[in-house]
Amino acid sequence: GQNIDQPTEMTATEGAIVQINCTYQTSGFNGLFWYQQHAGEAPTFLSYNVLDGLEEKGRFSSFLSRSKGYSYLLLKELQMKDSASYLCAVRRGYKLSFGAGTTVTVRA
Amino acid sequence: DAGVIQSPRHEVTEMGQEVTLRCKPISGHDYLFWYRQTMMRGLELLIYFNNNVPIDDSGMPEDRFSAKMPNASFSTLKIQPSEPRDSAVYFCASSLGGPDTQYFGPGTRLTVL
Repeated sequence: GQNIDQPTEMTATEGAIVQINCTYQTSGFNGLFWYQQHAGEAPTFLSYNVLDGLEEKGRFSSFLSRSKGYSYLLLKELQMKDSASYLCAVRRGYKLSFGAGTTVTVRA
Repeated sequence: DAGVIQSPRHEVTEMGQEVTLRCKPISGHDYLFWYRQTMMRGLELLIYFNNNVPIDDSGMPEDRFSAKMPNASFSTLKIQPSEPRDSAVYFCASSLGGPDTQYFGPGTRLTVL
C-alpha cells in the first residue's frame, strides 16, 4: 500500500517563496509527480522526479530523496495565479497514487 | 491538438439510474486512465487501459462500475445503478508510452440525488 502525506494548507505573500513537502511510504517506487490543480479545473503536470536531487523548471523546482521517502515542491516569486492545490503523486508501476493535496493561497 | 475531451461536463441524475461518462483521449496516446475525485478520498485511480486493453481495474469500487475502450479514440465509464455516494468529479487522462506525463480532461461532475 501507499501512504502519502502533505500539508493541507499554506499561505504566502506575492513575490515570496513557498515549499510544499510530501512524505510517502510505499512498497514500490518508480517516481514522484507534482501536479497543480486550480479550483474547478483538471490537474496539470508540473514535474516528475525519478532520481534523487533537485529538478528546476523556471519558477518551480522539485526535490526528491528516495532513501528518506521525501519530496518537496518549491515555488519562487509567487504570483496570484499560483493560488491552487498542489498534488503529490507516487508512481508504482503504471499507477499513480495521489496525496490529498496542499491548497496554496497567495496574498497581495 | 484539442486535448482530452470528456462529456458530459455535468450530469445530474437520480439514484438507481444508469450513468455513462465518455472520454476521447489525445490522438496517438496509448494509455488511458479513469480517475475519481472527492473531498473525502481525493484523486483515485479507477482503471487504466493500454492499447485499448484494460490492464488494472483494482480501483473500480464495485460491480456497479464498468469501463470499456472499444477503440483508440473512445472510452466509457458506466455506473449502473448509480448511488448518491458516486457523486464526484470523474477525470479521464491519457499519455504516451506510460504514465510519465498524463494529460487530464476537464472532468465530468456527477451528482446523484
